[in-house]
Amino acid sequence: EAGVVQSPRYKIIEKKQPVAFWCNPISGHNTLYWYLQNLGQGPELLIRYENEEAVDDSQLPKDRFSAERLKGVDSTLKIQPAELGDSAVYLCASSLGVTSGSQETQYFGPGTRLLVL
Amino acid sequence: GQQVMQIPQYQHVQEGEDFTTYCNSSTTLSNIQWYKQRPGGHPVFLIQLVKSGEVKKQKRLTFQFGEAKKNSSLHITATQTTDVGTYFCAGLRAGGTSYGKLTFGQGTILTVHP
Repeated sequence: EAGVVQSPRYKIIEKKQPVAFWCNPISGHNTLYWYLQNLGQGPELLIRYENEEAVDDSQLPKDRFSAERLKGVDSTLKIQPAELGDSAVYLCASSLGVTSGSQETQYFGPGTRLLVL
Repeated sequence: GQQVMQIPQYQHVQEGEDFTTYCNSSTTLSNIQWYKQRPGGHPVFLIQLVKSGEVKKQKRLTFQFGEAKKNSSLHITATQTTDVGTYFCAGLRAGGTSYGKLTFGQGTILTVHP
C-alpha cells in the first residue's frame, strides 16, 4: 500500500514569492491534515479536512496561506507571499476518519522542506 | 489553549542504558498517541493509549497513561542505536469542540552512543 505522497520534497524560494505544496493521501483516507514543523519542535496543525470540508483551519494564517481539497482526495497548500519565517517542513498526514471520542492513527508523508531566502 | 509539554528535551545514553521521556498536558486528554521521527524523516505512529492508567508494551518499549489522563510516559529498556530519533507525544483533548485535533509535544531527542 502506498503511503502519503508529497511533492516537492524540497523548495527554495525568495521571499515574497508564491509557493505551493501538494499531497496525495492514502487511498480511502477521508481525513487529511496539513502540519507545519519547525526545527526542534513538534508538528503544529494548520488545517484538517474531512473529505472536502475544512473542519479546523483555526491555526491557518489566512492572510497568506490557503488550502484546498476539491474532490476530497488530493490537497494543495499555498503560501502567497512567502516570508522568511515560513521556512519549515510542511507535513501532510491522513487517516481513515475521525469519530467522536476516538482518534484514528495519522500517517505522515515525507514532508516538503521549504527554505525562504 | 491546550499545551503538551515533554521532558527532557534531549537525552544522550550509552547503548544498553534505559531511557524515559515524560509528557504532560495542561488539560485532560481523551487519548494520547506516541510517534517516532528519525533524523530527516517524518513522524511514524507507535501507539495509542485510551484508558486511564493504561500500560502497553512493544518489545523494549513501555507506554503508560496516567490515572488522571493528563500525563504519559515512554520507557525504552536497553536502548539500541536503532532507537535514535525524536519521540513525540500527541494528545487529543477530552470534550469540547476540538475532537480530532492532536496537540503535539515538542519532542525528546534521543541519541544512543555505541
